[in-house]
Amino acid sequence: QSALTQPPSASGSPGQSVTISCTGTSSDVGGYNYVSWYQQHPGKAPKLMIYEVTKRPSGVPDRFSGSKSGNTASLTVSGLQAEDEADYYCSSYAGNKWVFGGGTKLTVL
Amino acid sequence: EVQLVESGGGLVQPGGSLRLSCAASGFAFSSYWMHWVRQAPGKGLVWVSRINGDGFSISYADSVKGRFTISRDNAKKTLYLQMNSLRAEDTAVYFCARVPRSGEFDYWGQGTLVIVSS
Repeated sequence: QSALTQPPSASGSPGQSVTISCTGTSSDVGGYNYVSWYQQHPGKAPKLMIYEVTKRPSGVPDRFSGSKSGNTASLTVSGLQAEDEADYYCSSYAGNKWVFGGGTKLTVL
Repeated sequence: EVQLVESGGGLVQPGGSLRLSCAASGFAFSSYWMHWVRQAPGKGLVWVSRINGDGFSISYADSVKGRFTISRDNAKKTLYLQMNSLRAEDTAVYFCARVPRSGEFDYWGQGTLVIVSS
């Protein structure tokens, strides 16, 4: 299975918005609405931030939002805060398998 | 409170075997699919395997198929990963994760480190 494609890095200043893309194929991202996003701080387990493309789990700030168009999903972080600096991974169901993106390191300048 | 606690990691020689465990608590374990996801040092997350609630539906990533076996004991609320014919490229932190029907990994363990080296 090929990994989903994410930019290796993204950055923004506090208060700004940043969008991270996640490109797959019609066999994963484009074929199902089971795209999710995870935040991972160094040495920690990943944390679920978005599921089913656009839904936020309880406790995740509404500054985090998700969307999808065709084979590309996106995570937008609005009103950047210092604690948002982390690695972000997308994931998609791919027909009895799951696939992750390569990860994007988000830097808050 | 949902908790997942992995154990069983360690140093193993190439070609060796290891069995990982993931003890679950705080939820109806048998009602959830469970997955293993790994992360090589400094690298990204990679899906490894999943098992459904009753243990009769299983799938694997191509990279581990034929070498790894996922299983579960619902009475003990424990997930397992038997890893055989280990290779250097299997070196990683292995996480177990709970996945509801909507397909996301909603709870993760803290991970257990497997190092394959001579």
